[in-house]
Amino acid sequence: EVQLVESGGGLVQPGGSLRLSCEASGFTFSSYEMNWVRQAPGKGLEWVSYISGSGSTIYYADSVKGRVTISRDNAKNSLYLQMSSLRAEDTAVYYCARRASGYPDYWGQGTLVTVSS
Amino acid sequence: DIQMTQSPSTLSASVGDRVTITCRASQSISSWLAWYQQKPGKAPKVLIYKASSLESGVPSRFSGSGSGTEFTLSISSLQPDDFATYYCQQYSSYSWTFGQGTKVEIK
Repeated sequence: EVQLVESGGGLVQPGGSLRLSCEASGFTFSSYEMNWVRQAPGKGLEWVSYISGSGSTIYYADSVKGRVTISRDNAKNSLYLQMSSLRAEDTAVYYCARRASGYPDYWGQGTLVTVSS
Repeated sequence: DIQMTQSPSTLSASVGDRVTITCRASQSISSWLAWYQQKPGKAPKVLIYKASSLESGVPSRFSGSGSGTEFTLSISSLQPDDFATYYCQQYSSYSWTFGQGTKVEIK
């Protein structure tokens, strides 16, 4: 069974940093592209970042470019999102999602990041 | 970036109704479109991919159609479990974009 479990969310002050993790199981992690998608409270879904299976290709949304870094450790079946210079508008549930044939077929349960003083 | 526009934003319907949600892309995305269902506090669940292909395990009352810039999601006979928010999503490029969502409410 495919499972994606995010962790690392929490309350952080504006300007602070946070590292999100996503632990994958039930599939060959290194064979899949992965993404982070976020959802602000009561709002829609926003794609954040993409990483290829090898980690060699990475893309970011303009809204987070320069402030977040996506990475993966295929030996640990884990995906990461390092976030810095956090703003109130970064407050959201952050989901990791597996990309299969272009679209996200499996999502984690999400981890909430709250940026507030 | 490709913009996705869904309509309506809210839809009130009764159990047994047929409902249709529309999604328009700001440029052609061929058939690279997926539909998701999301319930409060839960992750989105894929219903349809490649515009009209039913994801494994999804009830056959869900169907999708369209290509290019115009797409629809239909539910043939609305069931109590179907009251949720629905999103379309384009995946024609590495950067996904989603519609703003359609909330299906009980009439």
